[in-house]
Amino acid sequence: EVQLVESGGGLVQPGRSLKLSCAASGFTFSNYYMAWVRQAPKKGLEWVATISTSGSRTYYPDSVKGRFTISRDNAKSSLYLQMNSLKSEDTATYYCARHSNWELGYWGQGVMVTVSS
Amino acid sequence: DVQMTQSPSYLAASPGESVSISCKASKSINTYLAWYQEKPGKTNKLLIYSGSTLQSGTPSRFSGSGSGTDFTLTIRSLEPEDFAVYYCQQHNEYPLTFGSGTKLEIK
Repeated sequence: EVQLVESGGGLVQPGRSLKLSCAASGFTFSNYYMAWVRQAPKKGLEWVATISTSGSRTYYPDSVKGRFTISRDNAKSSLYLQMNSLKSEDTATYYCARHSNWELGYWGQGVMVTVSS
Repeated sequence: DVQMTQSPSYLAASPGESVSISCKASKSINTYLAWYQEKPGKTNKLLIYSGSTLQSGTPSRFSGSGSGTDFTLTIRSLEPEDFAVYYCQQHNEYPLTFGSGTKLEIK
């Protein structure tokens, strides 16, 4: 069974950093592109980042480019999201997801990040 | 960026009825559209991808259609477990973009 378990969320002040982790199991992690998607309170879904199988290619929307960095450790079946210069508008539940092709075949339960002073 | 316009944002129906949800892209995305189901306490579920291909495990009462800019998710003979929020997402190009969601509630 595919499982994706996020961790590392919490309350952080504006301008500070936070790193999210996602532990993957139930599939060969190194074979799949992975992604982060977020959902602000009472809002819709927003794609945040995607990383290739080897980690050599990464993709971001303009809203987080230059502030967020997606990475992975295939030996540990783990995905990460380093978030710097956080803003109040980054407050959201962050989901780890496994790509099938470019669609997102499996999702985690999510982890909450609150950016507030 | 491709803007995805989903409608309606809210839909009320009874079990056994059929419903349709529309998703329109701001430019052609070929057939690269996915539909997801969001339910409280459960992980988001991919229902359909590439416009009309059912993900493994998706009940046959779900169907997707469309190409180019106009797409539709149809659910025939609603079951109680179908009442949820549905999102479309284009997977033709980066940045990946989602529709704003449709909340399907029991009438």
